[in-house]
Parts: sequence; C-alpha cells; structure tokens
Amino acid sequence: GEDVEQSLFLSVREGDSSVINCTYTDSSSTYLYWYKQEPGAGLQLLTYIFSNMDMKQDQRLTVLLNKKDKHLSLRIADTQTGDSAIYFCAERPDNFNKFYFGSGTKLNVKP
Amino acid sequence: KAGVTQTPRYLIKTRGQQVTLSCSPISGHRSVSWYQQTPGQGLQFLFEYFSETQRNKGNFPGRFSGRQFSNSRSEMNVSTLELGDSALYLCASSLVLAPDTQYFGPGTRLTVL
Repeated sequence: GEDVEQSLFLSVREGDSSVINCTYTDSSSTYLYWYKQEPGAGLQLLTYIFSNMDMKQDQRLTVLLNKKDKHLSLRIADTQTGDSAIYFCAERPDNFNKFYFGSGTKLNVKP
Repeated sequence: KAGVTQTPRYLIKTRGQQVTLSCSPISGHRSVSWYQQTPGQGLQFLFEYFSETQRNKGNFPGRFSGRQFSNSRSEMNVSTLELGDSALYLCASSLVLAPDTQYFGPGTRLTVL
C-alpha cells in the first residue's frame, strides 16, 4: 500500500529557515499536501501542490516536489515560535479521496 | 463561512460501551471523511461518505461504522469499545468526491477506560 515517510523531529532557532522532508511511494499521486497540527487541535491545511508542478510558493512557505525521487519538502522561511507544531505530509492517489498521511514531523522553534 | 465542527470535543467511555460522534461539514461540502489519530499508528483513514453513500473504507473492524445524512452531516459509531479505541477522531470535509482538498475539524478526543 501507500507509504509516506517523514523524519520525526526538527529543531531550529527563531528566524532561521526550516525544511521538513517527506517521501512517498505512490507514483499516481495527483495531489500532495502539507498540514499543520497544533496541540489539541485538528489539522490545518497549509498548502498543496499538484504532481505536475515542481515548486509552489505561498508567503513564507515553499513546497518543492521531486517526482523522480518521490520527495516532497516544505520550507518555512523566517521561522517563528508560533510555527512550533507537528507537520504532516499527505498524498492522495489519483481518483480517490482517501489521504495517506506521514507520521508527522514535530517542529520545535527555539527563541 | 464556518469551519468543520465536531461534537462532542471530549468523551470518556468504558470498555464494552458504544459511542456516536458527530461531524458537520463546511456549508456546501458534500464529502465527509473520518480519520483515527493515535500516537502509535498516526493518522489512519476510516471511511468516506458522499451523498449519503460510503465511497471508501479503511482497514478497520466492523465495530466502526458511519453514515451521512441528506444535509451532509455525518456520524460515526463505534460499538463494543476497546481500550485501543482511545484516540482523536478527526472529520474532514470537501466540496466534491475527488479531486478536492480536505478541511479538518478540531476532532473528538475519545478515552476508553
């Protein structure tokens, strides 16, 4: 089945850039997503990218997609303490509304 | 526009009982999906409903069931609760079946004692 992998932890200093990485296995994935989850809350959609794109930028967020290596990354510029949360990568195979999530990367931003 | 709402937010039950969780999607959204989130298993897909019909189902036992009403609101039911059912249950809604982006509710935290 589909397998989405992420590193579990990332620690950065406030003001630095954060890069969260994700690998996926389903080559038919049409959409790839990044969600943010703060303690005690649901998932907040941050951004998504179509599989026919290489890059998408949205304010402080930059998503890079390497389809050949099935690698997705999320870069957060000028990371703030409010960015501390768990970040989930998710893929959705073509023609399904079923999402497959990674285990989440816990981002800790130190002041 | 109001987001996805889930009720109740917190629930405590004992083993063997049953529970019903409710989800109201964003107005106009017709597809509702349910997920179980646990520290050990992460986020796992339970099922998806569209126009009152179950369209996709994850690998969960038959104790987990759901339904969707004509107004797109959805409920999920877990019968004969087990300790391992303790989890955060998340509901997500989207406009159409596929392809579309899902928006998540805050979740219902179920604790089984």
